[in-house]
Amino acid sequence: SQQGEEDPQALSIQEGENATMNCSYKTSINNLQWYRQNSGRGLVHLILIRSNEREKHSGRLRVTLDTSKKSSSLLITASRAADTASYFCATDKNAGNMLTFGGGTRLMVKP
Amino acid sequence: EAGVVQSPRYKIIEKKQPVAFWCNPISGHNTLYWYRQNLGQGPELLIRYENEEAVDDSQLPKDRFSAERLKGVDSTLKIQPAELGDSAVYLCASSLTPGNTIYFGEGSWLTVV
Repeated sequence: SQQGEEDPQALSIQEGENATMNCSYKTSINNLQWYRQNSGRGLVHLILIRSNEREKHSGRLRVTLDTSKKSSSLLITASRAADTASYFCATDKNAGNMLTFGGGTRLMVKP
Repeated sequence: EAGVVQSPRYKIIEKKQPVAFWCNPISGHNTLYWYRQNLGQGPELLIRYENEEAVDDSQLPKDRFSAERLKGVDSTLKIQPAELGDSAVYLCASSLTPGNTIYFGEGSWLTVV
C-alpha cells in the first residue's frame, strides 16, 4: 500500500519557471523524503525533512512539511530541462527507513 | 565510490520460468532493501535486511519469492515460478544503518511473457 499521494500526477512547465509538487500522507511520520527518478534509472535521494522541521533548502530545492495537514511540498526554482523526471515522496514512520512511497509526479520541463 | 550494483539490468522470461536478481550494496552498508516498482507507480518494499537477517519481509509473496543475503553483503532475489503480474522493476537499495540516506541501484527490469 502507498501512504503518500503526490499531486499533480503530471506537470509540464517551461524552462525557468518554478515547479511545485505536493504530497499528502495518512499516518504520523518521523520524516519525509523526496526522491527523483529519471526515465529508466534508479531513484536519487534529494532531501529529507524531519517531523519537527517545517522547511528545508538544498540548492534550487525547497521542501516544506505541515504535520497538522499531513502534507509536504517540493518546490524546484528556475527549472531546467535536466529536471525532467519523476519525483516521489516517501514517508518513514519510525526512523527505521521503512519508506512508503507515493505514486510520483512526472515533471516535464520544456526548453 | 561504487554505487549499488544490480544485475541483470533487463530480463525477459516466459511465465512459469524462474528468474534471479543479484545486488551488491555499497561497501560497508549494513542495511539492504529490495523494492518492486510497477510501471507508473512508486516503489513498494519487498524485504529489508540488517546484515544477514531479514527484519521485514511481510510484503514478500513467499509462495513464489525468496531472498537471501549470505555473509551480510550481496543479496539475491528469486522468483519461481514467474507470473505475468511479476513484470516490474526490481530495485535494490542500501544504507549505512537505518535512518541514514538510502541509495538505490539502477534496477532490474523484468518482463514476463
